[in-house]
This record gives sequence, structure tokens and C-alpha cells, in this order.
Amino acid sequence: QQQVRQSPQSLTVWEGGTTVLTCSYEDSTFNYFPWYQQFPGEGPALLISILSVSDKKEDGRFTTFFNKREKKLSLHIIDSQPGDSATYFCAASETGNTGKLIFGLGTTLQVQP
Amino acid sequence: DAGVTQTPRHEVAEKGQTIILKCEPVSGHNDLFWYRQTKIQGLELLSYFRSKSLMEDGGAFKDRFKAEMLNSSFSTLKIQPTEPKDSAVYLCASSFQGAGTEVFFGKGTRLTVV
Repeated sequence: QQQVRQSPQSLTVWEGGTTVLTCSYEDSTFNYFPWYQQFPGEGPALLISILSVSDKKEDGRFTTFFNKREKKLSLHIIDSQPGDSATYFCAASETGNTGKLIFGLGTTLQVQP
Repeated sequence: DAGVTQTPRHEVAEKGQTIILKCEPVSGHNDLFWYRQTKIQGLELLSYFRSKSLMEDGGAFKDRFKAEMLNSSFSTLKIQPTEPKDSAVYLCASSFQGAGTEVFFGKGTRLTVV
């Protein structure tokens, strides 16, 4: 049983388009939600994160939205570039003094020139 | 600044062998994690250390997987005996203590068991 669910599993967009990835979770005690980006042969790297007290966080072309009532979050990438082609993971952290993350299964993004 | 360093990057083992994967966390980090990554299961937590103390040892992985942290700058993951189903990428990660802090990952060790 996946505690963090992501969709879609894979996605192809054209260069310059907007990418939208979504994620939902079960545990209402989760309060920290990072998105990680992973290129082939590399480990995941933090892209952007949001705390449950916020509903939006923006960093350049990347924006994450959080809906506490629906237990959903999303990642929007505007002006998508071929260099954004990677696998994206949403994750959630349990409350308390721990950095342990629960990950979704990931979305593989391909940006076509 | 050195990130998380994992060695070896690739490992091929025969079924039944013992293998040891190594990890050096970011200097000063208190928390260390071992994850297993596969296409089907995604990233699964194997072990979690805080200040060298084992905080969590993933239940499904207890019998043949053993992680140790002998000092604050070095950790090992031993798989004994290996099975073909253990073929995966093993990721080590570290962070400062506390929720909401960035977790840094190494590049991983790709293990193939034949």
C-alpha cells in the first residue's frame, strides 16, 4: 500500500510547454513535502519543497502547490526544457524530529525539442 | 564541499555471496539513510541512523540486510547471502537532524546478482 501516490507514471511534453505532476498522500501527520529530481546514473536531488502551513512555493520555473484538505500536491514546470527530462519524485516526511522520507514511485518526464 | 560518497558504483555478485556497500555522508550530518531503488517498488527505506544509533531497520529487509555505522563519517550495508531479487540500486543519503531539512543522496551502487 503506497502511502504516497504519484501520477502520471510517465509524461511527454513539448519544449516550452507546461508540465504538471500530481501527488496524493494518506497520512494526515505528514507535514513536509519535497520534490526530488533524478537523472540517469545519479542520485535524487532536491528540487523544491513545501511545508503544510503553505499552499504554494515558487522557485524559478518550478512551482509546487499544496492542498491540505484534499491531501494533494502538484509540481508545475513552466517553459519546460529538454534538460528537464528526468524522473521526478514527490515525498513526504512524518511529523516529529525525523528526516525520514516516504517516496512516491516517480514520474518520468520527457521534454521533446 | 563533498557530497555523499558511495562505493563501489557497480557491483556484480553471484547468488549466495556476501557483499558490502560503503557510504560516506556529508560531513556534519547527523542522519543517515539507506534506500533501495527499483522500478517497481520505488525508493524503499532499508535503515535509518541518527548520530550513529540505529533508529529504524526496515522490517522486510532485516533477515539478510545489515547496516552499520562505525563512526559518524562511514556506514556500510552488508547483504548476506545475496539473491537475484536483490538486484537494484542502493542509495545512501544524509541530512542534518530534524524534519524539513534537505536530504542529500549519493549516486548509488548498482548491484546485479546473477
